[in-house]
Amino acid sequence: GAVVSQHPSWVICKSGTSVKIECRSLDFQATTMFWYRQFPKQSLMLMATSNEGSKATYEQGVEKDKFLINHASLTLSTLTVTSAHPEDSSFYICSAVPGQGVGQPQHFGDGTRLSIL
Amino acid sequence: EDQVTQSPEALRLQEGESSSLNCSYTVSGLRGLFWYRQDPGKGPEFLFTLYSAGEEKEKERLKATLTKKESFLHITAPKPEDSATYLCAACSGTYKYIFGTGTRLKVLA
Repeated sequence: GAVVSQHPSWVICKSGTSVKIECRSLDFQATTMFWYRQFPKQSLMLMATSNEGSKATYEQGVEKDKFLINHASLTLSTLTVTSAHPEDSSFYICSAVPGQGVGQPQHFGDGTRLSIL
Repeated sequence: EDQVTQSPEALRLQEGESSSLNCSYTVSGLRGLFWYRQDPGKGPEFLFTLYSAGEEKEKERLKATLTKKESFLHITAPKPEDSATYLCAACSGTYKYIFGTGTRLKVLA
């Protein structure tokens, strides 16, 4: 149980393109989802917290106009990297917390490797 | 300030050589302590949740324990396939999740 699917797993695109990443909880509903960025051999860096039906909360230093987050249903959150540039290349990982998320573990997708040429 | 610290940063073990990974936390109103395993190029895989001091959870060669200040992940007779980065995370009283920086475990055959 508690499966999170993230798509695509790998994307390569040209500079200036916008890229959308989907995060779905397959067998549970998630009021809260998280988006992380991870650099090689480093830990997870929280970008934003996404709550269903409301605006995402972004961490300090994360440009909300650059990284658009939509959490339109209890099983789907999307991250759109707008006008991507090479410095946006990274490994992006989403997670979801079952139910109301009171002290529940996050369950992670398998990540999306984004390469901007 | 809520904080989670993991040690050691990296650990090399011979196959069959048991050891423990440490996760020290200072978190107000702990709601849960979580352990994950992360393989290269993958998202973290959930292993255990611990809620109160004295609690223990076991799965195959792994056992997680919790005190009021720290958690341990004990690995008994590890195999090369146990090689991974192990992350711990704490959920605070305000429902913030704080992650440690992980322990990179390498088990040699």
